[in-house]
Formats: sequence, structure tokens, C-alpha cells
Amino acid sequence: GQQVMQIPQYQHVQEGEDFTTYCNSSTTLSNIQWYKQRPGGHPVFLIQLVKSGEVKKQKRLTFQFGEAKKNSSLHITATQTTDVGTYFCAGPTSGTYKYIFGTGTRLKVLA
Amino acid sequence: DAGVIQSPRHEVTEMGQEVTLRCKPISGHDYLFWYRQTMMRGLELLIYFNNNVPIDDSGMPEDRFSAKMPNASFSTLKIQPSEPRDSAVYFCASSLSSGNTIYFGEGSWLTVV
Repeated sequence: GQQVMQIPQYQHVQEGEDFTTYCNSSTTLSNIQWYKQRPGGHPVFLIQLVKSGEVKKQKRLTFQFGEAKKNSSLHITATQTTDVGTYFCAGPTSGTYKYIFGTGTRLKVLA
Repeated sequence: DAGVIQSPRHEVTEMGQEVTLRCKPISGHDYLFWYRQTMMRGLELLIYFNNNVPIDDSGMPEDRFSAKMPNASFSTLKIQPSEPRDSAVYFCASSLSSGNTIYFGEGSWLTVV
């Protein structure tokens, strides 16, 4: 079945450093979504990418969808303590509305 | 607008007991999802419904788990009998087919002792 892996599993950074998480799918995706889950909270939608090679920015966050539509990345510039949480990518199984979530990257920001 | 509403928020139960988790999706949303989250297995899709009809239940771990959606505004996930390995956070989520964004509830934290 479809698998969505993320690396790294954990990342500790000093406040102000940059952070990147990578998402890789075993199958081509029609689109990819990113979610953030704060400790003790629930996943919250951040963004959706649809086009091959697409790049979108939200303030300090930059999202990219690979040319082959099998991988994606999230880059945070100059991390802040409010960025703490687990970041998930999610993609639909081909031809369905069944979104499979990646393994997640847990970010800890040290002040 | 109210988001996805789940109950109970926390439940501690003894092994062998029946557990029923409840969910009210966002009004107008036609997709409803049940996810389970654990440290070991991450966020797993258990089952999803479209217009109250179960579409894919391949993620339901075993016959002890069942889910229903009797109407557009209510769904249940039942575990009978419960086992300690069922301890997890269970999230209900809903979505509009045209919008794709999945909105999660705050989760039901289940502990089976």
C-alpha cells in the first residue's frame, strides 16, 4: 500500500535557526497537504500544493512540491518558539479521497 | 462556526469494557474520517464516510472496532471489548469534497487499563 515517510523524525534547533522537513511518497500524488500539530493538540491544515514543482510561501514557511509529485518539503526560516510542534504531510491514495498521513517531524525550538 | 466536536475528551476504562466515541462533523461537510494516533504507529486512518456511507474501512484494526454514521451530523466509533493496546488518541475529522481541507476535532484520549 501507499506509504508516506518524513525525515527527520525529530529536530531540535536553536531559536533563529532554519528548519526543513522532507516528505516522500511511494506513489505519485495528485496533491499534497501539510498540517501542524501543537503538543497536546490536533492537526491543523497549513496548505495544499497541487502542481508539479509548485512553491508556496506563508510568511516564514516555504512549501515545495517535487517535479515528480512524489516528494515535498517544508522549510521554516528563522524559527520561533511558536513553531514548536509536529509537522505532517498528507497525500491521497490514487483515485480516492483517502488521505494518508506521513510519519511526521517533531520540531523543538530552544530559546 | 463550531468545528468538529468530539466526546468524550478523555476516557479511562477497564479492559473488556465497551467504549463509544462520538463525533459531530462540521455542518455541510460530506466526508467524515476517523483517525487513531499513537507514538508507535503515528496517525492512522481507520475509516471514512462519504454522505454517511462507509467508503473504506480497511484501516479498522479488527472486528472489535465498528463505526456508524446514522445521519449527516453524527458518527460513532465503538470498541468492544476494549484492550490496553487500544489506548490512543482518536480523532474525528470532516471535509467538504470540493475543498479538500480536513478539519480535525480535538480528539478523544482513550486509556484502557
